[in-house]
This record gives sequence, structure tokens and C-alpha cells, in this order.
Amino acid sequence: QPVLTQSSSASASLGSSVKLTCTLSSGHSYYIIAWHQQQPGKAPRYLMNVEGSGSYNKGSGVPDRFSGSSSGADRYLIVSNLQSEDEADYYCETWDSNTRVFGGGTKLTVL
Amino acid sequence: QVQLVQSGAEVKKPGASVKVSCKTSGYTFTDNYMHWMRQAPGEGLEWVGWINPNSGGTKYGQKFQGRVTMTRDTSISTAYMELSRLRFDDTAVYYCAREGYDSSGHNSKGLDSWGQGTLVTVSS
Repeated sequence: QPVLTQSSSASASLGSSVKLTCTLSSGHSYYIIAWHQQQPGKAPRYLMNVEGSGSYNKGSGVPDRFSGSSSGADRYLIVSNLQSEDEADYYCETWDSNTRVFGGGTKLTVL
Repeated sequence: QVQLVQSGAEVKKPGASVKVSCKTSGYTFTDNYMHWMRQAPGEGLEWVGWINPNSGGTKYGQKFQGRVTMTRDTSISTAYMELSRLRFDDTAVYYCAREGYDSSGHNSKGLDSWGQGTLVTVSS
């Protein structure tokens, strides 16, 4: 089954941009992943899915500041013009016929 | 709009069972698989399993097989997750989440709507 690897933490300044990475395990580089945001004390919220081609599809109501891309086994979440409310944990998710898998999450701090 | 509303917090003793509900609205309940996840305090997300609300078919994560049962009641658009033989390390927030599909209706696009979570505390 696939394994997803994320950096444990990231930080960027208010108004700047940040790129979070989710890496698929060997043999699974073509998998689609989804990104979720979890603000402190809240349930996760679906942001988008990102395909191996780099195309992405955002969920309803997700701000334009959020976008996705891909390179090889890496799937990216790019957040532009960082706001204070973007400070959250970000999880990637993927799946196959037998299971659902989550990355360990990246804690994003907005400085 | 799609809504998933879960039942309230529970406190259980070790060895007991807990049943969490997830009431849905805003879409056709039987059109989308329902997944259950949990999140222990300070930890990440862990997949528990899914139920197909149309057929009642289920798939459980290996770690939970033999202890978890997922059911549904289509008349009230509600999914349930029951975990038995509770242990201290089952203390977590449990989430239901709907699986979304692309425009073809066949390919998953990820878990696109989440419940608010239910805290289950296992304490003696």
C-alpha cells in the first residue's frame, strides 16, 4: 500500500507564500492525493485533490490563494498571500482499493 | 449544502463498547461511501474503515478488524461506527467523512466533507 511522507513543520511570514510537500512512496508516484486543512480545535476540511499530471481540483469555498501542483512522486500545496487563519495542520491523503492513507501532517506557522 | 453531524462525546470504561453516529443531509446518502477516521490527542489522522451505504458492505483497517462494526440506517441517512473491547489507547476524536467523486461519478477525489468529530474517552 502507498505511504505518504510530509515534513513535520513549516513556517512563513504573513503575506508571503509557502509550498508544502507530500511525497508518495516508491511505486506509487502516479497516485492522486487530497489535501486537508485542520485548524486548531476543528475538524479537517477538504481543500483539493492533486493528480500526477499537476492538475488540481479545489473543494467548494476554498480561497483562490490555495493551489496545487505535482512533480514526480511529490504533490504540493501552495498557499499564497498567507493569512493568520492559514496557521493550521495540513494533511495529505491517498487511497487504493484496500485502504485509505494519511501523511503525518505538516504544522504551518504564520510568522 | 452537505452536512455531517456526529453524536456527542462519550466516556467509557476499558472493555466496554461505544457507538458513534453520523447523520447526513444535503445529498443522497446512498451515493457516497462513508469513511471513519480517528485522531488521538496530539497525533495525526488514522483510517478506521468504510461503509457503502447503498449495499451495507464494509472494509475495515487491519488494526481494527474484529473490534469495529460499521452500519447504516438509510431511512434516516445515518451511518454508525461501533468499537468494542475499548482500551485506554482508543481515546481519540472519531470523525466520519464522505468520499467524493469526480465528474464521472466513479473515481474518488478524496474525503470531501467531514463531520465535526466525536471525542471518545476511555477511562477507568
